[in-house]
Amino acid sequence: DIQMTQSPSSLSASVGDRVTITCRASQGIRNDLGWYQQKPEKAPKRLIYAAFNLESGVPSRFSGSGSGTEFTLTISSLQPEDFATYYCLQHNSFPWTFGQGTKVEIK
Amino acid sequence: EVQLVESGGGLIQPGRSLRLSCIASGFNFGDYSMSWFRQAPGKGLEWVGFIRKKGYGGTTEYAASVRGRFTVSRDDSKGIVYLQMNSLRTEDTAVYYCSRAGLGWAFLDYWGQGTLVTVSS
Repeated sequence: DIQMTQSPSSLSASVGDRVTITCRASQGIRNDLGWYQQKPEKAPKRLIYAAFNLESGVPSRFSGSGSGTEFTLTISSLQPEDFATYYCLQHNSFPWTFGQGTKVEIK
Repeated sequence: EVQLVESGGGLIQPGRSLRLSCIASGFNFGDYSMSWFRQAPGKGLEWVGFIRKKGYGGTTEYAASVRGRFTVSRDDSKGIVYLQMNSLRTEDTAVYYCSRAGLGWAFLDYWGQGTLVTVSS
């Protein structure tokens, strides 16, 4: 199975800060990775697909990069509505696996 | 408008069975593979199972934690994907979500609101 190591597990940042979340895959997954935002009691929402493609309607302050084993989600200027937990998901091979999640708190 | 609506959750005793449904609308259901996910209380997301569209054979894949106990099936005439859960365990307690798994931009782009399954005596 491919393990996805996501870091950090949590962070606290101020409005306007640049935030970076990383996922490392235990083996190469090409660009078969998505990033999802989840708010409490809500379904996951896709932000990024195929590693760097921005979901329609998602603010451009979100961006994804990487390929192979290392991937990054960047929020260029954190906004109050970005308080949420973020997950990466690899779908290169079964079983699909998520990172452990990053809880973003607003200072 | 694409919609996925899960139903069938509830309180169930360990060892019993439950079937979840995910009713799809707003897109050509038969053209999409579909997937189930779950989230235990206070925990992260977990992939559960997947069913290919009929054009890809309609075959299924499962997480090791549910293989042999859970079955994903689909009824393209009704636009429904099912998750049959047998021999339920307390650790299966979770909110269960379905999502469509198309290609490229349509991969896991829409998710249902989830249905809660509580396995407890």
